[in-house]
Amino acid sequence: LAKTTQPISMDSYEGQEVNITCSHNNIATNDYITWYQQFPSQGPRFIIQGYKTKVTNEVASLFIPADRKSSTLSLPRVSLSDTAVYYCLLTGANNLFFGTGTRLTVIP
Amino acid sequence: NAGVTQTPKFQVLKTGQSMTLQCAQDMNHNSMYWYRQDPGMGLRLIYYSASEGTTDKGEVPNGYNVSRLNKREFSLRLESAAPSQTSVYFCASSGPGPRLYEQYFGPGTRLTVT
Repeated sequence: LAKTTQPISMDSYEGQEVNITCSHNNIATNDYITWYQQFPSQGPRFIIQGYKTKVTNEVASLFIPADRKSSTLSLPRVSLSDTAVYYCLLTGANNLFFGTGTRLTVIP
Repeated sequence: NAGVTQTPKFQVLKTGQSMTLQCAQDMNHNSMYWYRQDPGMGLRLIYYSASEGTTDKGEVPNGYNVSRLNKREFSLRLESAAPSQTSVYFCASSGPGPRLYEQYFGPGTRLTVT
C-alpha cells in the first residue's frame, strides 16, 4: 500500500488560509490524490481530488507539483467549523491507506 | 436516498461472543469497504469488495470475516470478539462517478468488547 505522510496537527486562527502538505514519494502513475475531512463521531467525507497541477472547488484548492511526490490542500479563510481531521489518500485500484491524518484546530 | 446505513449504532460484547455488523447502500455502487478506527487514530481497512461476489483482505483482516450478500449489502462478522477489537467500525461504498474511487461513509458502529 502506497503511504502518505502528513503533519500530525496544525493550529490556525479563524479567517486565515491554511495549507496542509502531504508527501507521497511512491505515488503510482494511476494514482489520484484525494483528500477527506472527518468530524468527531462521523465518517470521513470527500473534499477534493486531483491528478496534477491545480484543482479548485467551492471549499478548497489542491496544488500538485509536476513530479506528483507531494500535494497541498489549501483551505481559504477557515472558520471554527473547519476544525476536523484531514486525510490525504492515494486512490487507484483500491489503494486505500488513510493514515493518521492532520488534526486541524481553528482558534477564535 | 439514505446513502450508506449501518446497524447497530452501538454494541457491547463480552470476550468470545460473536456478532455481525450490517451495512447497506442504495447508490448502486459496485465497491464496498469495512474500516476500523481506534481512538485518536486513522482508519484502517479490514476488508473490501470490489464487486458483488468478490472480497479481499485489507490491512487488518485477522479476526474478521465478511460477506457480500448482494450488490447492496456487505456484512462484517466477528466470530470470537476480543478486547483489541474495541473500535468504531465504518462501512463505505464507491462507484462510477466523476470522482475516481470517491467513498461514501456510513455513520459508524461503536463496538466495545469487555
